[in-house]
Amino acid sequence: LAKTTQPISMDSYEGQEVNITCSHNNIATNDYITWYQQFPSQGPRFIIQGYKTKVTNEVASLFIPADRKSSTLSLPRVSLSDTAVYYCLVGDRAGRRALTFGSGTRLQVQP
Amino acid sequence: EADIYQTPRYLVIGTGKKITLECSQTMGHDKMYWYQQDPGMELHLIHYSYGVNSTEKGDLSSESTVSRIRTEHFPLTLESARPSHTSQYLCASSGRSNTGELFFGEGSRLTVL
Repeated sequence: LAKTTQPISMDSYEGQEVNITCSHNNIATNDYITWYQQFPSQGPRFIIQGYKTKVTNEVASLFIPADRKSSTLSLPRVSLSDTAVYYCLVGDRAGRRALTFGSGTRLQVQP
Repeated sequence: EADIYQTPRYLVIGTGKKITLECSQTMGHDKMYWYQQDPGMELHLIHYSYGVNSTEKGDLSSESTVSRIRTEHFPLTLESARPSHTSQYLCASSGRSNTGELFFGEGSRLTVL
């Protein structure tokens, strides 16, 4: 299974762009990269998924270099409500292998 | 909104009691999962199921057991609760979406005295 490594924590201020990088050196050919967000006392929530290059939705952007050994979640103009834990997961979309969560990155947004 | 429900949300129980945490989803998802998470810590996969009558143990060894008799229902049982079982238990499911997105319930917070 591809193991992921993320920074334990990050701090930011409202209105700034936040980039969280995840390393996944052993990613397999069929694996996709998915990011989840978790607020305290809630289950994680899907943010974005990508295979390569760049993916953008209404919440975030995901940048994946050609070698796919890392990925960067970009949150534009964060607000206080973006304070949460962000998890990077690597796995096949068909769910042939159950997804495991790493330690995640705890993002604290200050006013 | 994800249609996956967990009951009870909170449970305080004495040592030695048998407990069952319920999880139901109305999305027709084949795959269901149980994760365990202590406050401020990472999620650990303890059980998963790829369909009716299919259950597997996850990465974290757990004394709990699960069953999958119906597609929509994936209960978790502890035969004899101990204080070490105190934790939050999160149920999730995934279906045939292009992304394999996991939908989580709101969790069951168990406290064993």
